[in-house]
Amino acid sequence: DTAVSQTPKYLVTQMGNDKSIKCEQNLGHDTMYWYKQDSKKFLKIMFSYNNKELIINETVPNRFSPKSPDKAHLNLHINSLELGDSAVYFCASSHPSGGPGEAGELFFGEGSRLTVL
Amino acid sequence: GEDVEQSLFLSVREGDSSVINCTYTDSSSTYLYWYKQEPGAGLQLLTYIFSNMDMKQDQRLTVLLNKKDKHLSLRIADTQTGDSAIYFCAESRAGTALIFGKGTTLSVSS
Repeated sequence: DTAVSQTPKYLVTQMGNDKSIKCEQNLGHDTMYWYKQDSKKFLKIMFSYNNKELIINETVPNRFSPKSPDKAHLNLHINSLELGDSAVYFCASSHPSGGPGEAGELFFGEGSRLTVL
Repeated sequence: GEDVEQSLFLSVREGDSSVINCTYTDSSSTYLYWYKQEPGAGLQLLTYIFSNMDMKQDQRLTVLLNKKDKHLSLRIADTQTGDSAIYFCAESRAGTALIFGKGTTLSVSS
């Protein structure tokens, strides 16, 4: 009964291909995120959705397209993969902060390691 | 935006205390967080502190917050080899998601 689950855990593909990573959370949270962690372990926010609506879109190439079919799912599709897309992609979810016992903390999935050859 | 700053490496001996420091940027951050990442795993929340607090203690963990200097620290008492991991501080910056520091790799030797 994993709280935030991502698939696949590992993905190896050729440059130019298109790939998707899926994320599901069973915590009942309203907000979901995609973060990218590079080889130096730096974590950067890419996108955030609240109740299926895009609320954060950082400077990310438009080859990356998030899709949220419902508030429990946030998928990431990447077109025309490049070598620099190799990274670990983390999905996360949260409640908004301010409610009782709610500090707005993020709950992370285990990550999806993408390797582009 | 400006970066959340952390030193990249810390090496301690088992049984010693570890102190990991962080400088954040947004003085209006409501909460500040410490996350732990073990090899090959996702990030797990260790603890957080509300911005109107100076200190929070949770078993072996002590968080100190200096709002004037925008400085956050995490002290781990009696550090164990199982504490070896990357530790990230994060701030809740207005208008965006949590912003993370670059992470401090803690290495504990026996």
